[in-house]
Amino acid sequence: DAGVTQSPTHLIKTRGQQVTLRCSPKSGHDTVSWYQQALGQGPQFIFQYYEEEERQRGNFPDRFSGHQFPNYSSELNVNALLLGDSALYLCASSLYRGVTDTQYFGPGTRLTVL
Amino acid sequence: DQQVKQNSPSLSVQEGRISILNCDYTNSMFDYFLWYKKYPAEGPTFLISISSIKDKNEDGRFTVFLNKSAKHLSLHIVPSQPGDSAVYFCAASATMNYGGSQGNLIFGKGTKLSVKP
Repeated sequence: DAGVTQSPTHLIKTRGQQVTLRCSPKSGHDTVSWYQQALGQGPQFIFQYYEEEERQRGNFPDRFSGHQFPNYSSELNVNALLLGDSALYLCASSLYRGVTDTQYFGPGTRLTVL
Repeated sequence: DQQVKQNSPSLSVQEGRISILNCDYTNSMFDYFLWYKKYPAEGPTFLISISSIKDKNEDGRFTVFLNKSAKHLSLHIVPSQPGDSAVYFCAASATMNYGGSQGNLIFGKGTKLSVKP
């Protein structure tokens, strides 16, 4: 049973560019959440997707957008990259209607903005 | 304003002894709490959770205690093993805001646990 997978593992971009990160949820999960983890900080919630719609959103600007596909996989897009966007981007999958259904995290994508 | 606080950035414990990791929260709407463990170059791994209707949950060597009046929770690891060395994150959710699902998790900054042989 494959867990949550993310691609690419590492990415280097320059300021002003755009980036797309990808996530495949754990088998059987229908919900994908994205988190940003800056160095020395805990993960910070970006948004959550269920039924191909954004259901919840954290305190992130509109430069951060996402998409969920019919097979439940998801993309995170960041436009007009800033140096401060350098971080580990984590994807977590879960079942939408389950308080006790754990969010399982992928290994993350390390984004470096130069 | 940090809603979930882990005030100890690091903790060092001898193998076989108890490790106690602490977490404080400020939002009284939080009703579900979790602990995650993170190794370098890996994503966080779920350890144990507790609902606000309970004050204790146990799973093998791991026990989480919740004190709602103090808005405090702790994770006890007994006995500690070198393989437990990792960064531990406390997380909280206000599930009632999300129709009963976990919604977004609010994380603390983490505590780095080192278990020495």
